[in-house]
Amino acid sequence: QQPVQSPQAVILREGEDAVINCSSSKALYSVHWYRQKHGEAPVFLMILLKGGEQKGHEKISASFNEKKQQSSLYLTASQLSYSGTYFCGTEMDSSYKLIFGSGTRLLVRP
Amino acid sequence: DTAVSQTPKYLVTQMGNDKSIKCEQNLGHDTMYWYKQDSKKFLKIMFSYNNKELIINETVPNRFSPKSPDKAHLNLHINSLELGDSAVYFCASSQVGTDTQYFGPGTRLTVL
Repeated sequence: QQPVQSPQAVILREGEDAVINCSSSKALYSVHWYRQKHGEAPVFLMILLKGGEQKGHEKISASFNEKKQQSSLYLTASQLSYSGTYFCGTEMDSSYKLIFGSGTRLLVRP
Repeated sequence: DTAVSQTPKYLVTQMGNDKSIKCEQNLGHDTMYWYKQDSKKFLKIMFSYNNKELIINETVPNRFSPKSPDKAHLNLHINSLELGDSAVYFCASSQVGTDTQYFGPGTRLTVL
């Protein structure tokens, strides 16, 4: 039931792009993306609802392929501040119950 | 002006003790949650309350008991602490209809 995230870790140079994937074996109602910096709380990035909607947030955007039960987070022209662990959280229905993936550790170097 | 606050931030205790973690949100949200994040960073939901009513109760030992005196507060009491309870516990809240969860700063529990 836990979504699978890939890759587990990514190292980028500042300015490079990255894609983080999240896939589920179950039909999804929504996918949430969070970023957590070391020693801090997870911070909400965006939510994608059933319907294949793509969302954007500055240089961070995401898509949700409802048929494949997959979501991808796109980080373009990465900045040092993007470093952290990215989690996807999936909902099977509108029950507020989020099941989180194991996270993708992203490190952006100068 | 903290949105979701937790106390204490750090908790170090001996095996077998009983401890509580408090959570408060001033966002006016209806739903609150407790999550456990283990040493491998795996974030797992434990409980959720909506307007003081328990709506999510995952497979958690009975030693863990949440209490919601009002919709702005959700406390977590843990009896007979075990080594495996060592983790960071996050409280979160959300508003019905938006699904966005706002996390508190976390409480790092260390059981010796």
